[in-house]
Amino acid sequence: DTEVTQTPKHLVMGMTNKKSLKCEQHMGHRAMYWYKQKAKKPPELMFVYSYEKLSINESVPSRFSPECPNSSLLNLHLHALQPEDSALYLCASSQETGTGISFHLQFFGPGTRLTVL
Amino acid sequence: EDKVVQSPLSLVVHEGDTVTLNCSYEVTNFRSLLWYKQEKKAPTFLFMLTSSGIEKKSGRLSSILDKKELFSILNITATQTGDSAVYLCAVEGSGGSNYKLTFGKGTLLTVNP
Repeated sequence: DTEVTQTPKHLVMGMTNKKSLKCEQHMGHRAMYWYKQKAKKPPELMFVYSYEKLSINESVPSRFSPECPNSSLLNLHLHALQPEDSALYLCASSQETGTGISFHLQFFGPGTRLTVL
Repeated sequence: EDKVVQSPLSLVVHEGDTVTLNCSYEVTNFRSLLWYKQEKKAPTFLFMLTSSGIEKKSGRLSSILDKKELFSILNITATQTGDSAVYLCAVEGSGGSNYKLTFGKGTLLTVNP
């Protein structure tokens, strides 16, 4: 299995809703990432988990809350979002974030298209 | 702060043409440069480059890195309509305290029949 899966594919939510995005990989990767991508812009890093511990938080607002329940799963909990948070949310994974040359090659999931009304 | 600049930002060609996409970078503690192709959804991996002067090749696509001049090029020969996509260049560096990918804005390639 060489893919990263994400659910749901599409999500529409109101500003008072609470929802979660899910990401799963079974490649034995120990680093997982959340990116946000607005239309016609490159992906922007949000969070990095390395060995199930949060290692990078790119000053993301607290209405986005990541969780890594185990080495295969990564969640992004959403609460009280704003319309400007509407974007494609991409999950990625890599073997690790360590020093090996190819260990940090990131593979991306298909993304969740989020619309906040 | 790490920077990655891609050019051109968009390009329109005819099938069969050859294109060259450029990526220049300024990063702290460079580790690797990656090219991704993004159609409607997730970026798909094309190449990872870590050493200067070694060409990576996959079918009609090839890429090379110049670590002295801090740039990479992605060549696509005999373009096809299926090559139409955004091509993203990303560089891994530690501009800050952790290694992470910094993406360029991408080159939108349109191949017309």
